[in-house]
Amino acid sequence: EDQVTQSPEALRLQEGESSSLNCSYTVSGLRGLFWYRQDPGKGPEFLFTLYSAGEEKEKERLKATLTKKESFLHITAPKPEDSATYLCAVQLSGGSYIPTFGRGTSLIVHP
Amino acid sequence: GAGVSQSPSNKVTEKGKDVELRCDPISGHTALYWYRQSLGQGLEFLIYFQGNSAPDKSGLPSDRFSAERTGGSVSTLTIQRTQQEDSAVYLCASRSGLAGNTGELFFGEGSRLTVL
Repeated sequence: EDQVTQSPEALRLQEGESSSLNCSYTVSGLRGLFWYRQDPGKGPEFLFTLYSAGEEKEKERLKATLTKKESFLHITAPKPEDSATYLCAVQLSGGSYIPTFGRGTSLIVHP
Repeated sequence: GAGVSQSPSNKVTEKGKDVELRCDPISGHTALYWYRQSLGQGLEFLIYFQGNSAPDKSGLPSDRFSAERTGGSVSTLTIQRTQQEDSAVYLCASRSGLAGNTGELFFGEGSRLTVL
């Protein structure tokens, strides 16, 4: 049973076409929810940490939000260089610091 | 270098051979992780080291897999008697143990293992 589910698996957008990626989780006692970006042949690169429902973080064209059951990564007016796989991970409170990752959303932005 | 370094970047081996994968974490980072990423799959946790504590080995898929971390720094992941299903990218990450850190993991570029 997956604790972290990301949707869609793949997303194709035209440059400038805003959209959102979803990360839903079933764990209780969330210590933190993380978003990473992974380019082909590279390791994941950290984007955001969210700790509590209602929290929002922004970086350039990306904005991450968190509710009690899910997180969204909003991409505003994407550019081709935003093409990558976006990974979500959750870390439980009270336990060791081991993030559990979702399978990711592969985003392609066409010029 | 300033980042997490992994070697080799690519390894092709024959079924039944042993392989060793190396990870140099960021200097001063007390936590070190190994994950495995298969094609189209998410990151699968393998093992976690934190300071001088006993490692969390709960993600190792079989007793053919082992890892050590010497002197709280460099780590080696060893896979004995490799099988074709071991083919994957093995990612190492480190994290600062300082209070107040964001929990961010810093990843290396991975070691791609192909078992023929």
